[in-house]
Amino acid sequence: QVQLQESGPGLVKPSGTLSLTCAVSGGSISTSDWWSWVRQSPGRGLEWVGDIFRTGSTNYNPSLKSRVTISVDKSKNQFSLRLSFVTAADTAVYYCAGLLTSGGRRFDPWGQGTLVTVSS
Amino acid sequence: DIQMTQSPSSLSASVGDRVTITCRASQTISRYLNWYQQKPGKAPKLVIYTASTLQSGVPSRFSGSGSGTDFTLTISTLQPEDFATYYCQQSYSGPFTFGQGTKVEIK
Repeated sequence: QVQLQESGPGLVKPSGTLSLTCAVSGGSISTSDWWSWVRQSPGRGLEWVGDIFRTGSTNYNPSLKSRVTISVDKSKNQFSLRLSFVTAADTAVYYCAGLLTSGGRRFDPWGQGTLVTVSS
Repeated sequence: DIQMTQSPSSLSASVGDRVTITCRASQTISRYLNWYQQKPGKAPKLVIYTASTLQSGVPSRFSGSGSGTDFTLTISTLQPEDFATYYCQQSYSGPFTFGQGTKVEIK
């Protein structure tokens, strides 16, 4: 059973870059076509950030598109999120998730989430 | 973006009650609607996908229905472990969007 685990700094300075990695265990990252990032904050609720196909093709939320980069490293069985020029509004719990597509797209499984705070 | 609106925002219910949560989309999304359960400090967990398909391992007391713009999640007989916040999410078109959540609390 595939499991996901996020990792990265819990504190990022304003105008800096948020960088997170999602390690995939219990199976190959190639077993799922798409991998996603979703964030959650009290003010914005659950918000889809973007996703990446196993070949590297990406889709991003237009509200974040100019600042987001998602990449995949198949050799390390992981994928990553970079969000640049962060502000306090980017403070959230960030989840990585698989995006299943057969029979309708849905997020499953999910990582446990990691809190990222933007503050000086 | 497609806006997802859930009602109610919260409800109080007792063990054994039948609970229904509603989700409305701002435009038609066919049957591309998913439901997630989230407990405090935990990640969301997929419960129902494509409006009415029960995720593997989820108890049969959970059911979903609807198409177009109006959807419901029903818990037929509420159990203690079902007290949580439930979110709907549309996968019809990007950007994928979520409802604001419905918190099911113990009466």
